[in-house]
Amino acid sequence: DAGVIQSPRHEVTEMGQEVTLRCKPISGHDYLFWYRQTMMRGLELLIYFNNNVPIDDSGMPEDRFSAKMPNASFSTLKIQPSEPRDSAVYFCASTLGGEQYFGPGTRLTVT
Amino acid sequence: EDQVTQSPEALRLQEGESSSLNCSYTVSGLRGLFWYRQDPGKGPEFLFTLYSAGEEKEKERLKATLTKKESFLHITAPKPEDSATYLCAVQVNTGFQKLVFGTGTRLLVSP
Repeated sequence: DAGVIQSPRHEVTEMGQEVTLRCKPISGHDYLFWYRQTMMRGLELLIYFNNNVPIDDSGMPEDRFSAKMPNASFSTLKIQPSEPRDSAVYFCASTLGGEQYFGPGTRLTVT
Repeated sequence: EDQVTQSPEALRLQEGESSSLNCSYTVSGLRGLFWYRQDPGKGPEFLFTLYSAGEEKEKERLKATLTKKESFLHITAPKPEDSATYLCAVQVNTGFQKLVFGTGTRLLVSP
């Protein structure tokens, strides 16, 4: 398996623009997680899905953030409008249960 | 609130100099404790899962142990390629597959 795939790997955008991050989980995994990592706060869980259904979105910082999982092989995290404080590395991870497997991350810079 | 604290924040070792990293936790009920390794610019890579006090897991120069309040990651005779950030995470009984991460220990092993 290719592992968890994320795109783009790097994104630079201006404040106020819409940003969409994409994730393809490992085939057969039924849980998908979105995390944000910063130097100040470490790795924070934003939202996670089970069988394409959002289970816990309590980590989503604001209404500007939204996530969808239209099918078992694809998920998006959208930020609209983006702000400089959203600059971070965003990771997607998937699991069947137990250990989670992480993608390579998307480094987002909002200027 | 479930909390995970890792110490030290950073550790510098000489090649061959053994040491231990600490992960202390306060949770409502522990389902599992996970160790990950993260290299710069990459996603966390799974190392070990521990489920009960007294359990130990080994992989090459790494050994993870678990008590009722903390976990240790022992590094024996480290090599420069062991340099990375080591993350600890807990899964609690009420959190389904959710992981709560510590902020990590940055390990640098000098030749």
